[in-house]
Amino acid sequence: AQSVTQLDSQVPVFEEAPVELRCNYSSSVSVYLFWYVQYPNQGLQLLLKYLSGSTLVKSINGFEAEFNKSQTSFHLRKPSVHISDTAEYFCAVSRPSNDYKLSFGAGTTVTVRA
Amino acid sequence: DTAVSQTPKYLVTQMGNDKSIKCEQNLGHDTMYWYKQDSKKFLKIMFSYNNKELIINETVPNRFSPKSPDKAHLNLHINSLELGDSAVYFCASSQDGSYEQYFGPGTRLTVT
Repeated sequence: AQSVTQLDSQVPVFEEAPVELRCNYSSSVSVYLFWYVQYPNQGLQLLLKYLSGSTLVKSINGFEAEFNKSQTSFHLRKPSVHISDTAEYFCAVSRPSNDYKLSFGAGTTVTVRA
Repeated sequence: DTAVSQTPKYLVTQMGNDKSIKCEQNLGHDTMYWYKQDSKKFLKIMFSYNNKELIINETVPNRFSPKSPDKAHLNLHINSLELGDSAVYFCASSQDGSYEQYFGPGTRLTVT
């Protein structure tokens, strides 16, 4: 079975500062990796995903994540955050299969302050 | 139009009661899911249906019973509610062959 560990439960950051959210996974087989974002009082939205190909994936709102197989990591970064990036961020892993089941990490709360 | 909708948004009830949460998606997706998010925001899958057939059934008490009348709906019925059932329940859907899941806004269930 695959699992995900998000190393930081809370990350406070000032506006326009960079942020990195750490995610490590464990799996005996190849995996697909995802970052989902949950804004206050809303459902989750897919932020970005790694299925294959380039190990660096980017979202339309400035986030990027890099798949590192040797370190079994998929850390999320943004060079300059906005107040509107305040949210809960979830790393998730899935094993290529027919059930498309996602296993989520415990989440990282990002609070952006002016 | 809301892509994945859930009703009710809030549900407060007493221990021992039976309640249902409804979920509908208008995206034409084939697969629907139910997740439970606990007070520490940990998110865990409960069930998954594909074209009205159960394909994922995690270790969930049999007091929880999903019902899919058609592929656009996946309802969750809970019997004999317990305090530990208090959580936010999310419905989600995805297209066949896609790992991108679209989530509803959640139903906050409080059992007193």
